Amino acid sequence: ETGVTQTPRHLVMGMTNKKSLKCEQHLGHNAMYWYKQSAKKPLELMFVYSLEERVENNSVPSRFSPECPNSSHLFLHLHTLQPEDSALYLCASSLQAGGGNEQFFGPGTRLTVL
Amino acid sequence: GEDVEQSLFLSVREGDSSVINCTYTDSSSTYLYWYKQEPGAGLQLLTYIFSNMDMKQDQRLTVLLNKKDKHLSLRIADTQTGDSAIYFCAEIAGGFKTIFGAGTRLFVKA
Repeated sequence: ETGVTQTPRHLVMGMTNKKSLKCEQHLGHNAMYWYKQSAKKPLELMFVYSLEERVENNSVPSRFSPECPNSSHLFLHLHTLQPEDSALYLCASSLQAGGGNEQFFGPGTRLTVL
Repeated sequence: GEDVEQSLFLSVREGDSSVINCTYTDSSSTYLYWYKQEPGAGLQLLTYIFSNMDMKQDQRLTVLLNKKDKHLSLRIADTQTGDSAIYFCAEIAGGFKTIFGAGTRLFVKA
C-alpha cells in the first residue's frame, strides 16, 4: 500500500463528458505531480504543484485542468477530451518539489476516451 | 532538447544478470534515477546516483554512470522472476522537471 491513492482506477468517457481524477497523499508532502503514461512513450510530466501553487505547466492542452485545494489533494478535471488522451494518468508526491526529492507514485487511473 | 532513451525490451533467464541501458542529454543533471513499475502499479524509486559518482552498489543492483558519454546503466545480479517489470531511467532537467525514458520491459524466464 503506497501513501498515494488515486480514484477512480479505471475511467471510460465520451468526448463530450466532463470527469475528474482525484489523487490523495498521506505522506505529509508539499509537492504533487500529474504525469501521463502512454504505451511505448516516455512518461510525460503535465503539472507540478508546490505548496498548493502550480509551479510547472508543461504545455498541456486546456482540456486538462488541475486543481490543488490543499497539499494533500490534487485533482485533474477533464472535458472534451480526444481519443489520443487515452492513457494511464499517474499522480506523484514528494517532500519538496524539484531535484533530489524522491517521488512517490500512485497506482494510476487508466483512462479510455471513446 | 531534453531526451532520455532506453531500449524497450530485455529478456533474460532466471539467475542471469540483467543490464538495462539509458542515455540522457542534460549534462547538468545532478541526479539520475532508476524507477521500477510492476503491473497495475505506479512507479517506485529503485535507486539513484549523484552525478559526481561513477558507480553505486545496493545489494543486487549496480548503477554505472559514464558522464562523458551521458550513459547510465542498471545491472541486476541473479535476476529473479519477481524482477519482471518496466524499468524507467530518469534525469533532473532543471527546475522541477524530471524527464523519464519510455521504460525497458524486463522479462525473466524461469
